[in-house]
Amino acid sequence: EAGVAQSPRYKIIEKRQSVAFWCNPISGHATLYWYQQILGQGPKLLIQFQNNGVVDDSQLPKDRFSAERLKGVDSTLKIQPAKLEDSAVYLCASSTYRVGYTFGSGTRLTVV
Amino acid sequence: AQTVTQSQPEMSVQEAETVTLSCTYDTSESDYYLFWYKQPPSRQMILVIRQEAYKQQNATENRFSVNFQKAAKSFSLKISDSQLGDAAMYFCASVSNTGNQFYFGTGTSLTVIP
Repeated sequence: EAGVAQSPRYKIIEKRQSVAFWCNPISGHATLYWYQQILGQGPKLLIQFQNNGVVDDSQLPKDRFSAERLKGVDSTLKIQPAKLEDSAVYLCASSTYRVGYTFGSGTRLTVV
Repeated sequence: AQTVTQSQPEMSVQEAETVTLSCTYDTSESDYYLFWYKQPPSRQMILVIRQEAYKQQNATENRFSVNFQKAAKSFSLKISDSQLGDAAMYFCASVSNTGNQFYFGTGTSLTVIP
């Protein structure tokens, strides 16, 4: 089966600019997650979707981050405006149940 | 909430030797799952091994095995016959049976010496 697809692989932007990441989960996976992984740390959950509804966004900085999952399939994560501390790898994952949890390759964001 | 602690930021092992990576966790849940993930420089998080907390038998996947000590809340990963391709960051993670959020440790960087 195809894996979780993410794009772009890399992105460099200046602070205060905006950026968007895209994720296409594994077909049939109802649950989609966005994680932020800062260098030297483990991934931290930003937001979890069940189909097109938000299950948990308690750790999403809502003043600058937004995410949507239209039609319960693809998802986009946006940062506007970006700050230097947003430099990280943004991982998308999808699952049907814990055994089916699969990560994408991530987008490395550098904010300069 | 759950917490996962990996106290070894870096480890190294000679090729063909055995290495053990440590992980401790804290949870108030009675039913949960524990995982080890491997993250090579490609950044892809790859599932190495999975353990259900209700199972007493330690999980094994080829050269990878765990030592699950539920009372001590310890979940170490043993890699036998280490290979160059095992070099990566290794993350320990937990998830409760009632939720879907993974809690990750800070990772252990494993170097395999030829």
